[in-house]
This record gives sequence, C-alpha cells and structure tokens, in this order.
Amino acid sequence: KQEVTQIPAALSVPEGENLVLNCSFTDSAIYNLQWFRQDPGKGLTSLLLIQSSQREQTSGRLNASLDKSSGRSTLYIAASQPGDSATYLCAVIPEGETSGSRLTFGEGTQLTVNP
Amino acid sequence: NAGVTQTPKFQVLKTGQSMTLQCAQDMNHEYMSWYRQDPGMGLRLIHYSVGAGITDQGEVPNGYNVSRSTTEDFPLRLLSAAPSQTSVYFCASLRGAGYGYTFGSGTRLTVV
Repeated sequence: KQEVTQIPAALSVPEGENLVLNCSFTDSAIYNLQWFRQDPGKGLTSLLLIQSSQREQTSGRLNASLDKSSGRSTLYIAASQPGDSATYLCAVIPEGETSGSRLTFGEGTQLTVNP
Repeated sequence: NAGVTQTPKFQVLKTGQSMTLQCAQDMNHEYMSWYRQDPGMGLRLIHYSVGAGITDQGEVPNGYNVSRSTTEDFPLRLLSAAPSQTSVYFCASLRGAGYGYTFGSGTRLTVV
C-alpha cells in the first residue's frame, strides 16, 4: 500500500526566507505527483503537477522536484511571504491510473510565514 | 464562477439519520471523486467516478453510496450516519491524469 509522508508537520519562518518542504512515498511506481495548498476552512488548490518522467516543475516562486527512484519530492518556495501561510499537501497517483482518480495524500506541512 | 460546488457547507446529523452531500461541477470533467479529511489521517478516497454511470470504491467506502447519472453531478449518500463519519468531506473533479484537480470548498459534517 502506498504511503506518503511529509516532513516537517509544521514550519514557521520569517518573511523573505527561502524554504523547502519535503514529501516521500514508499512505492516508486507513480504516474504523477501533485502539490496542493489548503487555506484554513477551505478546499485544496492545485499548485504544481509533475509527471513521473519529469524532474521538476516551476510556477512563479514555487519549484517542485521529483526523484522517483528514491521516492522523494521537494517543494521550494522562494522569498516567502505572509500570504504563503497555509497547509501544503503532496499526493501521488499510482502508475497505470490514467484517470488520475486515485490520489494518495500526505498529511501536509502547516507553514506559517511571520511578517 | 466555474468550479466545483458542494452543499451544504455545514451539517449536524443524529446517529442513524441519512443524508446526501451534493457535488456539482460545470467544467465538463469526466472524473470526480469524494474524499474525507480527518486530523492525523490526511485525505482519504471514499468513492470515485470515471464518467456518467461508472463509479468505483476508494479506500474507505463503507457506509457511503454514490451514483453518477450526469457528468455534472456526483452526490454522496450516507446511509445511516455514525459518529465515525464526523469529518470534512471534499468533492473534486479532474479532466484527466495529466491535469490538476479542482476541489470544492468542503462540507463539515458532525454526527452526534
């Protein structure tokens, strides 16, 4: 059974700092990996999607990398801002799941960026 | 606004009651899913659908039913509510595996 772990569970940083969130998964047979953001009391917003054949994806100040063979992904946030405060979740889709309907989630990293 | 709409946002049920959580999307996505989110457990898949008339079980399907009569709607039915079903429920839709998910804002359900 696929298990997804995110470390740390919580992180507090001062504004302007660059930071890295970690995600690991036990079964390397994945179709893709996605990073989401969840604000308190809200739904999830898709941030970045990395296909299994890709090494990284970038969107603005966010960069996600994937090392499929070692079962790891990182989300790099540059020049953090208080508006980045949220819970960040990673999720994987198993290989062969072409519909993308079966996501396995980590428990998330709760990020606080202090002004 | 285009997206996934969930109703109601909050609900309190008594043990043994039944109810339906509504989910509708207006993006013509084929794929829809229901997840529940619990502290310390993350999000877990309940049921999913790969198109109208086609549904399948996820990781935690017991106590829930789904149907998909149209592309737009994917309701989740609680047959006989139990306190263990107290959770936040999210509906999501997807164009396909190479695309990002769109999630609804959630339904917070309390069973007493």
